[in-house]
Amino acid sequence: NAGVTQTPKFQVLKTGQSMTLQCAQDMNHNSMYWYRQDPGMGLRLIYYSASEGTTDKGEVPNGYNVSRLNKREFSLRLESAAPSQTSVYFCASSGRSLNSPLHFGNGTRLTVT
Amino acid sequence: KQEVTQIPAALSVPEGENLVLNCSFTDSAIYNLQWFRQDPGKGLTSLLLIQSSQREQTSGRLNASLDKSSGRSTLYIAASQPGDSATYLCAVRRGYGNRDDKIIFGKGTRLHILP
Repeated sequence: NAGVTQTPKFQVLKTGQSMTLQCAQDMNHNSMYWYRQDPGMGLRLIYYSASEGTTDKGEVPNGYNVSRLNKREFSLRLESAAPSQTSVYFCASSGRSLNSPLHFGNGTRLTVT
Repeated sequence: KQEVTQIPAALSVPEGENLVLNCSFTDSAIYNLQWFRQDPGKGLTSLLLIQSSQREQTSGRLNASLDKSSGRSTLYIAASQPGDSATYLCAVRRGYGNRDDKIIFGKGTRLHILP
């Protein structure tokens, strides 16, 4: 059982380059999330998707776009990377029941130079 | 807008002590609250989840409580061990299936257990 799979694990970009972070879950979860983690800042919500076909902005959406391709996959795109987007990115998913925990991928460490 | 605060930001205690980590949230209309542990450079491990209708959950030496009306949760760690050293984060879920389906995190408490 793979759970939540993120790719790539590491990435270095130059300012202005674009890239897409991929995320897939195999737990039949409706809800999926993208977070970024910076030192001392906890996890901040970038975008989320409550169901297939819907996406909403989180706390820090500027500079990002997302696509909920199907129920399994939720991708995060940086159209023109900036040094301020250097961070660790986590994808997560959850079911809808009251006792459904949040499951995380292993993260992507992104550096923008 | 939901805001989640964790106090203290960092804590050092001698091995064997019992300790309490605090989490407060501004919007009491929550779906559930979850506590996580994160080791340096690693991902997040789920510790406990409390549903909105529950008052507490226990797992081994860990006990989490929830007081929705006051917007507070505590994580109690009994008989602390050096292996408990990590960052502990709480996360609050507003709802499900629609725009309320946000999960907001606090900034965490860095815990160091002194041998």
